[in-house]
Amino acid sequence: QVQLQESGPGLVKPSGTLSLTCAVSGDSISSNDWWSWVRQPPGKGLEWIGDIYHTGSTHYNPSLNSRVTISLDKSKNEFSLRLTSVTAADTAVYYCARSQFYYGSGSFFSDYWGQGTLVIVSS
Amino acid sequence: DIQMTQSPSSLSASVGDRVTITCQASQDISNSLNWYQQKAGKAPKLLIYDASNLETGVPSRFSGSGSGTDFTFTINSLQPEDIATYYCQQYDNVSPMVTFGPGTKVDFK
Repeated sequence: QVQLQESGPGLVKPSGTLSLTCAVSGDSISSNDWWSWVRQPPGKGLEWIGDIYHTGSTHYNPSLNSRVTISLDKSKNEFSLRLTSVTAADTAVYYCARSQFYYGSGSFFSDYWGQGTLVIVSS
Repeated sequence: DIQMTQSPSSLSASVGDRVTITCQASQDISNSLNWYQQKAGKAPKLLIYDASNLETGVPSRFSGSGSGTDFTFTINSLQPEDIATYYCQQYDNVSPMVTFGPGTKVDFK
């Protein structure tokens, strides 16, 4: 059974950097899957942040592109999110997910999700 | 960027009702459309992928259809455990970018 677990600080100061890690079990991050981050501000909808493949190839949401970095740690079977220059608008529940992507058909979906972690941006 | 609209934004129904939610893309996305269920305080759960394929383990009362720009998600015979918000999600192979619809909240009358 694939399981994902987010971890990281629950409180970040404005203008600081948000850093989260997603620990994966039941699958290898070196497999033919993509590893994604999605966030949800309180009471609002879902927003895709980006994802990474085991080769290190990444896709980012253009609205966050200049502030976001997703990376892998194959030795720990983890992947991470780094978001710089945060503001109150970055307050959200952050989810990590495993995604399946089939380039030829344009099929992309997230089939396993972590439980989510709330990050509040406040001084 | 491809924009997704979803309707209705909320609906109230009774146990046993047939519930239909629509999702429209601003341009042709073929069948690159997925549906997720999110219960309060929980992570989203994949129900339908590639417009009409039922994810393993998902009850058959859930179904999806459509291609191009117009898609439909149906719950046949609404059950108490189906109370949730439902999101469509599309993948743009050109950008590449993932976009979620704004969601449809389903509750009981």
